[in-house]
Amino acid sequence: RKEVEQDPGPFNVPEGATVAFNCTYSNSASQSFFWYRQDCRKEPKLLMSVYSSGNEDGRFTAQLNRASQYISLLIRDSKLSDSATYLCVVKDSNYQLIWGAGTKLIIKP
Amino acid sequence: DGGITQSPKYLFRKEGQNVTLSCEQNLNHDAMYWYRQDPGQGLRLIYYSQIVNDFQKGDIAEGYSVSREKKESFPLTVTSAQKNPTAFYLCASSKRGQGTGELFFGEGSRLTVL
Repeated sequence: RKEVEQDPGPFNVPEGATVAFNCTYSNSASQSFFWYRQDCRKEPKLLMSVYSSGNEDGRFTAQLNRASQYISLLIRDSKLSDSATYLCVVKDSNYQLIWGAGTKLIIKP
Repeated sequence: DGGITQSPKYLFRKEGQNVTLSCEQNLNHDAMYWYRQDPGQGLRLIYYSQIVNDFQKGDIAEGYSVSREKKESFPLTVTSAQKNPTAFYLCASSKRGQGTGELFFGEGSRLTVL
């Protein structure tokens, strides 16, 4: 079992819709969680950290479920510019970052 | 503007040749990293360095070497011992150890072995 798993997608979503995807992690001692965004053939960029109580940044909401060991990312009112691959990152108990393979999102007009 | 510069952006090499990928940052970050990204896989850590003149192996260090003689520079050499070197290589830096979770990446170097 991979340490961090994501549905690779692609998720094809019409513009303006709400989309959500999850990321599961295997190590219950994981410390911190993050979502990165990566555009095609570009470098990853930090989208947001995921806090225990959940957090929101504009149209983006991140949630953590420690009991079930997953984090989620919800995007409301999706824009064409949201098309990208979203990478889930988990900091383990050794303070190392473990990267998921990403979920590809395609927003269609 | 501050940032990380990787070069070359694209590189082709023949089997058996060593190649060196450059990574320079002017963010005054102490920590620097090299990752490899392959299709369908998460980023995998090759080497990282927390301070000048010190570096540590990551998960897939075999066939690679690095140096950290200056704070700003962290070059990666892909040696002929690396069995499957074709990949997208990403250099990153952070203010402290990667435990902060926020890494700043260069634009990447795409290496193809012919």
